[in-house]
Amino acid sequence: NAGVMQNPRHLVRRRGQEARLRCSPMKGHSHVYWYRQLPEEGLKFMVYLQKENIIDESGMPKERFSAEFPKEGPSILRIQQVVRGDSAAYFCASSPARVEETQYFGPGTRLLVL
Amino acid sequence: TQLLEQSPQFLSIQEGENLTVYCNSSSVFSSLQWYRQEPGEGPVLLVTVVTGGEVKKLKRLTFQFGDARKDSSLHITAAQPGDTGLYLCAGERASGTYKYIFGTGTRLKVLA
Repeated sequence: NAGVMQNPRHLVRRRGQEARLRCSPMKGHSHVYWYRQLPEEGLKFMVYLQKENIIDESGMPKERFSAEFPKEGPSILRIQQVVRGDSAAYFCASSPARVEETQYFGPGTRLLVL
Repeated sequence: TQLLEQSPQFLSIQEGENLTVYCNSSSVFSSLQWYRQEPGEGPVLLVTVVTGGEVKKLKRLTFQFGDARKDSSLHITAAQPGDTGLYLCAGERASGTYKYIFGTGTRLKVLA
């Protein structure tokens, strides 16, 4: 069974560009969670999605950040007009159902904004 | 506000030594998880504890959830270089909320 896949693993953007991060959950998982990890910090919850629905985006900045999980294809975390402070590792996790299910993490995308 | 404090932040020990890392909070959690994260990878779940006072063992790792479900500890016996990594605890504030609050982690290095 393939685990959670994220791509790209590394992404370099200049200030003002857009960053698109992709996450393919484990087979059979319909719940996706995005987290951000800053250097020397723990993971911070950003958004929780089910297929075609955003369930909770309370951890995601209101501006420039958006997320989707279409019926077909991977979940996408989009950051528009990136700034240096967006540099971080972005992890997605997936689970088969919401309640009391283990979240399986992908390897992360490391975003560097120059 | 950092709800989960982990200590120590950094730990470097010799192979064969024992160690304990701590995860403390003033908040009550319905469950608490421990993860290990290696450089360049995502966190991997080690254990979930749910009941106050619960103790779980995973080979040389012993996990304990505090009686009041506010704190937890991870004890490693006879550490090996393969135990090197970042150990994260994550608490779930209320059952089924899925929003885990992660601690800042303990970075462990075991020297051969």
